Amino acid sequence: GESVGLHLPTLSVQEGDNSIINCAYSNSASDYFIWYKQESGKGPQFIIDIRSNMDKRQGQRVTVLLNKTVKHLSLQIAATQPGDSAVYFCAVSGGSYIPTFGRGTSLIVHP
Amino acid sequence: DTAVSQTPKYLVTQMGNDKSIKCEQNLGHDTMYWYKQDSKKFLKIMFSYNNKELIINETVPNRFSPKSPDKAHLNLHINSLELGDSAVYFCASSQGGSGYTFGSGTRLTVV
Repeated sequence: GESVGLHLPTLSVQEGDNSIINCAYSNSASDYFIWYKQESGKGPQFIIDIRSNMDKRQGQRVTVLLNKTVKHLSLQIAATQPGDSAVYFCAVSGGSYIPTFGRGTSLIVHP
Repeated sequence: DTAVSQTPKYLVTQMGNDKSIKCEQNLGHDTMYWYKQDSKKFLKIMFSYNNKELIINETVPNRFSPKSPDKAHLNLHINSLELGDSAVYFCASSQGGSGYTFGSGTRLTVV
């Protein structure tokens, strides 16, 4: 089966800094990777995804990097804002289409 | 319009009771899911269901059962509730393997 882990349970940054949240996965057959943001009292919200045929994908202020060689992906948030404070999850799926979630990283943005 | 809606948002009940949580999606997705999120924010898949196949996480007690009256609804029934069932339960849907969308969660407290 798949196991997914985030490297840090908590990440504290200053407003305006760039944030990097890392995630590792175990199954080399995984081919779809998703980052979610969960604010307090809400469900996880889709941020960005990437498939295994890519190694980088950019959105608005967010970039996901995928390194299949070491089975690692990261979420980069540029110019972090207080509204970015939340728990971030990576999710990984393969042929079953059922994503396995890592334990979240709590991002704390200090004004 | 809420894409994935679940009710109730909060549920407090006594041990031994039977309860249901309802979920509806208006996205036209073909697959629905139930996840359990524990106090440490770990999201664990419980069920995945489309018109053709029910996939059950083998670690889920058989006191939990999904019921799908149609492809837009997947309700969760829980029999003989236990203290350890206290958690936040999320419904989600997807089209095939992408477009995962979560509901806002149901906080279940068993006393």
